Amino acid sequence: GAGVSQSPSNKVTEKGKDVELRCDPISGHTALYWYRQRLGQGLEFLIYFQGNSAPDKSGLPSDRFSAERTGESVSTLTIQRTQQEDSAVYLCASSALAARSSYNEQFFGPGTRLTVL
Amino acid sequence: AQSVTQLGSHVSVSEGALVLLRCNYSSSVPPYLFWYVQYPNQGLQLLLKYTTGATLVKGINGFEAEFKKSETSFHLTKPSAHMSDAAEYFCAVSRGGFKTIFGAGTRLFVKA
Repeated sequence: GAGVSQSPSNKVTEKGKDVELRCDPISGHTALYWYRQRLGQGLEFLIYFQGNSAPDKSGLPSDRFSAERTGESVSTLTIQRTQQEDSAVYLCASSALAARSSYNEQFFGPGTRLTVL
Repeated sequence: AQSVTQLGSHVSVSEGALVLLRCNYSSSVPPYLFWYVQYPNQGLQLLLKYTTGATLVKGINGFEAEFKKSETSFHLTKPSAHMSDAAEYFCAVSRGGFKTIFGAGTRLFVKA
């Protein structure tokens, strides 16, 4: 496919369980981002990967959140010991240009809707 | 630090009426500005962007936005609303590089 894909599209879990969310970026895109979107709210930056550089984790809300990316491909966002406040749509985006002097058009996946009971 | 303010979390217009969604930003350097649209149960899609050059930019689906540096604004307009325009719209600002700051979003309702 040509776009960013995410799986699963929906995830319902019980409080305290761990969850893994997956993102497949557009082939060739060096930059990958994770955002959280709570109901009725804007996008909250979580983490950013760019090539082989150390990821920018400045948006991760707690140490229960972590993410990995294999090279310039798939990324997984892991939430440990989920809490009800983690319920949200998690959006992944990728972009081809991430140089400091360039603008940055991000292409978004459809998101994973996480519900923590 | 950069920030984006979208005035009005909800906007309702009649079909055929003018659409105006307001966005103000703050940035210490000339910004790159974006509008994204999110249809129900979908990810965000780029509607239009301002980088350099002409301050009036045209996007998809008949939308356009004007960068006004003196007012630090980047309002989104469309002359005539269509039912299919009902969606959530996000304004965003970037200084270049990776970090893009998104506004809280404005949900557009279109009445028949």
